[in-house]
Amino acid sequence: LAKTTQPISMDSYEGQEVNITCSHNNIATNDYITWYQQFPSQGPRFIIQGYKTKVTNEVASLFIPADRKSSTLSLPRVSLSDTAVYYCLVGDWDDKIIFGKGTRLHILP
Amino acid sequence: DVKVTQSSRYLVKRTGEKVFLECVQDMDHENMFWYRQDPGLGLRLIYFSYDVKMKEKGDIPEGYSVSREKKERFSLILESASTNQTSMYLCASSLDGGATNEKLFFGSGTQLSVL
Repeated sequence: LAKTTQPISMDSYEGQEVNITCSHNNIATNDYITWYQQFPSQGPRFIIQGYKTKVTNEVASLFIPADRKSSTLSLPRVSLSDTAVYYCLVGDWDDKIIFGKGTRLHILP
Repeated sequence: DVKVTQSSRYLVKRTGEKVFLECVQDMDHENMFWYRQDPGLGLRLIYFSYDVKMKEKGDIPEGYSVSREKKERFSLILESASTNQTSMYLCASSLDGGATNEKLFFGSGTQLSVL
């Protein structure tokens, strides 16, 4: 199971683009990279998932370099409602799905 | 949308009581999971199940057991509740253990207080 490392916390301002980077040096060939978002008093919510290069959906973009040893979640033009904890997970179906401590993102007005 | 329903949002129990936390999913998912979440510790996996009547230990199974008699229902059991089991408990499900790209769907959580 690939271990992930991400910043404990980040602050940004409304309207800015926010990039959260996750390191996963031991990622295996079959592993996908998945990001979740968690608001206070709620369960985590799936945001985006990728295997290589770039993935974009209505919420975020995920950038994965060729060596796949890191990934960057990009949130365009954040608002106060994007204040949450963001988790990066790496693994495949054969792994226990382990969450780290995540990155606490605080958006300021 | 997948719906994962946890039976109680808040629960208060006394030390030594047997506690049942129930979780039901409505999308015929193969896999179900129980996590607990404590401030500063993130989510920690207690138990998971890839099929009916099957269970696997997560990282912190001590003091807990689980039951999966039906595909849609996964119960977490605290045989004798203790104060250090006061926590937010989160249930999750995912579609297919054979897929390499698991996506978890979570319930809203049960905040358990053991007095």
